[in-house]
Amino acid sequence: SAVISQKPSRDICQRGTSLTIQCQVDSQVTMMFWYRQQPGQSLTLIATANQGSEATYESGFVIDKFPISRPNLTFSTLTVSNMSPEDSSIYLCSVGGPGSSYNEQFFGPGTRLTVL
Amino acid sequence: ELKVEQNPLFLSMQEGKNYTIYCNYSTTSDRLYWYRQDPGKSLESLFVLLSNGAVKQEGRLMASLDTKARLSTLHITAAVHDLSATYFCAVFTSGTYKYIFGTGTRLKVLA
Repeated sequence: SAVISQKPSRDICQRGTSLTIQCQVDSQVTMMFWYRQQPGQSLTLIATANQGSEATYESGFVIDKFPISRPNLTFSTLTVSNMSPEDSSIYLCSVGGPGSSYNEQFFGPGTRLTVL
Repeated sequence: ELKVEQNPLFLSMQEGKNYTIYCNYSTTSDRLYWYRQDPGKSLESLFVLLSNGAVKQEGRLMASLDTKARLSTLHITAAVHDLSATYFCAVFTSGTYKYIFGTGTRLKVLA
C-alpha cells in the first residue's frame, strides 16, 4: 500500500488569507487526487493532478481559488486562497486507481482547516 | 451526472444484530470500493469489488457487487461496538478516471 503524509495536519486561519497543504507519497504515482470533506458530509473531488500537466478541476472548483502544483511524481500541493469560513473542511489527498501501481485508492491523513 | 446513493444515512443498531447498507449508482461501472472512516480520521479501504458477482468478506463485514442492478451491499453480521464508524462506497468511472463517493452511512452500534 501507499504511505501518504500531509502537512499541516490542522490549522486555524483568518478570513482572507491562504493556506498551502502539502501531500507526500512514498512512491512514484502518476495521478493524485484532492478532495474536500465538509463537516458531516461525504468527499467531494476538487481536482486531479498529473505530473507535468495542469490539474483537472471538477465543476464548482476553480484554479484561482484552489491552485495545485505537481512538481514531481511523489509530491503535490493544494492552496486554499482567500479563505472564508465556508472553506472550513478536511482536505484529503489520495493516490491509486486502475492502471497505476495501486489498484485501489489510498488516502492521506487529511488536513483539518478552520477559517475564522 | 453519476450519482452514488447510500441508504440508510444513519443506522443505530444493537450489538449482535445483522444489517445491510445499500449503495446504488446511476451509471455503468465495474469497480466499487468500500471505505471506513472513524471520527476525526482519514479513510481506510475495506473492500475492492472488481466484477459482477464479486463477494468479499473480512470479519463481520461482507461486501457484494451486482453491476447489472448497479448495486453494492455491505452486510454486517453480529455487530459489535468497534464497528461504529461512517462507511462510504465509491464508484470508479474509467471514462473520466475518477472516484465518486456515496453519501455515507453513519453506523452506531449500541452495547
